[in-house]
Amino acid sequence: AQKITQTQPGMFVQEKEAVTLDCTYDTSDQSYGLFWYKQPSSGEMIFLIYQGSYDEQNATEGRYSLNFQKARKSANLVISASQLGDSAMYFCAMREPDRDDKIIFGKGTRLHILP
Amino acid sequence: DAMVIQNPRYQVTQFGKPVTLSCSQTLNHNVMYWYQQKSSQAPKLLFHYYDKDFNNEADTPDNFQSRRPNTSFCFLDIRSPGLGDAAMYLCATSSPRDGTNEKLFFGSGTQLSVL
Repeated sequence: AQKITQTQPGMFVQEKEAVTLDCTYDTSDQSYGLFWYKQPSSGEMIFLIYQGSYDEQNATEGRYSLNFQKARKSANLVISASQLGDSAMYFCAMREPDRDDKIIFGKGTRLHILP
Repeated sequence: DAMVIQNPRYQVTQFGKPVTLSCSQTLNHNVMYWYQQKSSQAPKLLFHYYDKDFNNEADTPDNFQSRRPNTSFCFLDIRSPGLGDAAMYLCATSSPRDGTNEKLFFGSGTQLSVL
């Protein structure tokens, strides 16, 4: 069963606009963590942001914020003021401490920023 | 300084010829992961070690095996590579033991080609 669902295979966004990338997850554990990673065409995996299941506030890192809605099991990534360099694949991932810290990834969203 | 090192960056093998990919880390992290990533797809978890405890994913083919002789090193062995095993193989680490588990540290990957 799919544990991390990213429903947007691709998105096109105008430069300087904000963009929201969707992620929903499925777990019965109380303790878990959620990540977002960016993978540009160079292939490196770039860490963006992390949210722990017990964190009461939404995580923020510069232009990135995570809209964490625990009851809905969603962890959407919001990128404010998008830039051309934001064009990349974006992966949502979940860490499961009760499963020896297993970390699995969603299928990703390819984001294209238009000039 | 590279913290998770994968060698080689590119590996070419022949159909059916065993191949070993290596990963080393200077972070002293207790969890190490191997992911397979095919073009434009999500990283797929093959297995991971929590200290010396080996966790195999149910859908990881028997053709894939792993060894972790010590904290720093982890190897991925492909006993009889098929054409479908051509992919990028990513090694990653994290450390829930000392609280630095809010980030996966990735190596630069090994791109495997099977001829």
